[in-house]
Amino acid sequence: DQQVKQNSPSLSVQEGRISILNCDYTNSMFDYFLWYKKYPAEGPTFLISISSIKDKNEDGRFTVFLNKSAKHLSLHIVPSQPGDSAVYFCAASVRNFNKFYFGSGTKLNVKP
Amino acid sequence: DAGITQSPRHKVTETGTPVTLRCHQTENHRYMYWYRQDPGHGLRLIHYSYGVKDTDKGEVSDGYSVSRSKTEDFLLTLESATSSQTSVYFCAISEKPGQGSYEQYFGPGTRLTVT
Repeated sequence: DQQVKQNSPSLSVQEGRISILNCDYTNSMFDYFLWYKKYPAEGPTFLISISSIKDKNEDGRFTVFLNKSAKHLSLHIVPSQPGDSAVYFCAASVRNFNKFYFGSGTKLNVKP
Repeated sequence: DAGITQSPRHKVTETGTPVTLRCHQTENHRYMYWYRQDPGHGLRLIHYSYGVKDTDKGEVSDGYSVSRSKTEDFLLTLESATSSQTSVYFCAISEKPGQGSYEQYFGPGTRLTVT
């Protein structure tokens, strides 16, 4: 029973436009959320995180939004670049336990 | 990049044989994790460690055991490999003592094929 879900296996976006990746969770105890990016044949790399006390966190072209009432978070990439083409995983944890639960990933393709 | 290495990087083994994967870190992170990545499932936690000799089960721990005798090394053992354990295995570390960082840093992965 997956506690973190990414319902879109893939997303295709034109270069320069906005990419929006979505993630839903079921466990209301989660209080820390992260996004990771993964290129083929490499390990995932940390991208951005957000604590449950915030509803938005920005880092350059990347913004994560958290809607606790809907148990939903999203990652916005503006503007999208071809180098952003990768698989994106969202993850959630109950911070004190330091265990992380991952979604199944969304493959983003940014077309030049 | 965090100093995490995994060995071997690729392995092919036969059903029923024991297999040990090694994760080594040079970051003095307290927590270490083993995940497997499979299509449609993303990353699933197998076992994790919160200190030397302190380990706990994750979501998919059946058929796997772990050991951590030193801060820097975390071993994953498949006692008797099965074809269902064919996967890509990732080690991760988190929480540098004193800094309260909760992001995980991943190793490059080990591709294991059980025939």
